Parts: sequence; structure tokens; C-alpha cells
Amino acid sequence: DAKTTQPNSMESNEEEPVHLPCNHSTISGTDYIHWYRQLPSQGPEYVIHGLTSNVNNRMASLAIAEDRKSSTLILHRATLRDAAVYYCILRGLSNDYKLSFGAGTTVTVRA
Amino acid sequence: DVKVTQSSRYLVKRTGEKVFLECVQDMDHENMFWYRQDPGLGLRLIYFSYDVKMKEKGDIPEGYSVSREKKERFSLILESASTNQTSMYLCASSLAGRVAADTQYFGPGTRLTVL
Repeated sequence: DAKTTQPNSMESNEEEPVHLPCNHSTISGTDYIHWYRQLPSQGPEYVIHGLTSNVNNRMASLAIAEDRKSSTLILHRATLRDAAVYYCILRGLSNDYKLSFGAGTTVTVRA
Repeated sequence: DVKVTQSSRYLVKRTGEKVFLECVQDMDHENMFWYRQDPGLGLRLIYFSYDVKMKEKGDIPEGYSVSREKKERFSLILESASTNQTSMYLCASSLAGRVAADTQYFGPGTRLTVL
């Protein structure tokens, strides 16, 4: 799978939006962009995924650049429960089902 | 919502014991996974099952075995626990289908300590 690059950490205030960037300049046309997050002492949690168009769900929005070389996960109103490590990964056409996370972005939310 | 449950959140065992970790999912998913997660090493796949009684080795199967007799249940067995198997164990499940759109749902994890 192609690699992604994320900032190590980000801070936000409660009830403010959080924009988490992810660069994936070597993405192929068939790669989906997936986001997971992991709260302290919990298992990873699926957040959202997309291919070309922007996506919204109850947890977040995913904005995908027109050239698909970058994307942004948007948490519209951060809460203390959103403090977690956020992972951006690409999933392609291979038959390899295993998930591999990089270091991710550690999000801290200030009350 | 998909629910994946694991039999224990915390477990302490002694070296040489046989250890059973159980995982149950309630969404009729074909795929089930066992991972372990260690600081600095990330998530590593131990075993993968794509159907009842079907399994594939992941990256680190040594010292582990698995059992899937029913679709909803996937067990991880440590044949003879060793201290280097102290870790967070994560079970996940997903629908069958293309890897590209595969969404995995994780359980809360079992933190196993082997003394």
C-alpha cells in the first residue's frame, strides 16, 4: 500500500473544528483513503473512508483534494472524547486484508 | 452498529499456561482478525479467517493458533504462554469483499500480561 504522511500532533479547543491533514502523493487511482482513530486503552475505531468525492458521516467529514494527493479529516466540533490518535491509511486492490498503521496524529483537546 | 466483544479486558497468566482469547461479532461478518499491538511496533496481524474453519497466517503466527467453528466466534490460543507474548490483543471483523473498501471493526482489546 502507498504511504501516508501525517503531523505527529495537533491541539484543539473543545467545540472548535479540527482539521487533520494527510499527504499521500503516491496514491494510485484505485486506492481508497481510510481514517481510523484509537482512544487511550481502546481498540481502533473506523471513522470514515472515501475514493474521490468528499464524504460525510455522523463522526466526521473527509475532504479529498482534486488531485487526490492529500486529504483532510474534519471533526466539526471537537469534544474531549475526540482526544485520540488518528490514522490515515490507503487501501488498494491487493488481497492483503491486514491493516497497518503509521504513527498517526495525536490529537489533544483542551477544555 | 457493529459490535465486537472480547472475553476479557485484562488477563494475567503464568509462563507455560495455555491461554484462550475469545472474540464474538454480531454482524454476520465473514472476515475476522487477530492482531497484537505493541508500543513502537504498531499493529501486527497474527491470524485471519475468511470463513468458518478457514484461516490464514498473518505476519507473526508463531506461538499462536486459532479456531473458528462458528461464523460469529474467533478464538486465539496461546499454546504455551511466554513473557514476550505480553501485549494488547485486538480482534476485528469485516464483511467479505474488496480490500480497498474493507472496513474493520475492532473489539476493545485484551491486555495480556504473562509473568
